[in-house]
Amino acid sequence: ELKVEQNPLFLSMQEGKNYTIYCNYSTTSDRLYWYRQDPGKSLESLFVLLSNGAVKQEGRLMASLDTKARLSTLHITAAVHDLSATYFCAVDISGTYKYIFGTGTRLKVLA
Amino acid sequence: DAGVTQSPTHLIKTRGQQVTLRCSPKSGHDTVSWYQQALGQGPQFIFQYYEEEERQRGNFPDRFSGHQFPNYSSELNVNALLLGDSALYLCASSLFRTDNSPLHFGNGTRLTVT
Repeated sequence: ELKVEQNPLFLSMQEGKNYTIYCNYSTTSDRLYWYRQDPGKSLESLFVLLSNGAVKQEGRLMASLDTKARLSTLHITAAVHDLSATYFCAVDISGTYKYIFGTGTRLKVLA
Repeated sequence: DAGVTQSPTHLIKTRGQQVTLRCSPKSGHDTVSWYQQALGQGPQFIFQYYEEEERQRGNFPDRFSGHQFPNYSSELNVNALLLGDSALYLCASSLFRTDNSPLHFGNGTRLTVT
């Protein structure tokens, strides 16, 4: 069964600092998605990563995918308070289009 | 352009009862997936519907069933409710088997079972 693990689970960081969230998964997949969820709200799509070596950037966030290592990273550059949210990665199970979500990383950016 | 809409937003039921949740997908989408999100957890996949058929199913008991209508809207039914069914139920729509079509989520239905 596919397992998707994120670390850290909780992250408290100062504004202006850089940090990386990691998403590890246990079986073959070449489709991975990142989502953001604000408290009490629904999930918003951030990035779609569809191949080994894919890199996407939007503002202060950059996501990458290494399918051989079964690892995706979400890098935060010069964090700002508005980035405070919970971030989820979601992995497609071997081409089934059935997505398994990670445990989530709750990010809090302190002013 | 209307996004994914779900109803109701909140629901309180008693153990043993049955519940129906409703979802209208984003305009242009043909696939609806349902997820259960417990407090502090990631969404858990329940099932996916396309062309009015269940295409994929997660590890949920038969008490959880669904339906998709010709206009692509969908319902999630849960029978014999248990306390553990209390959660946020999220509907997500997408284009069937399209790689660059991420899931678009509704705001969810918060179900409380007492």
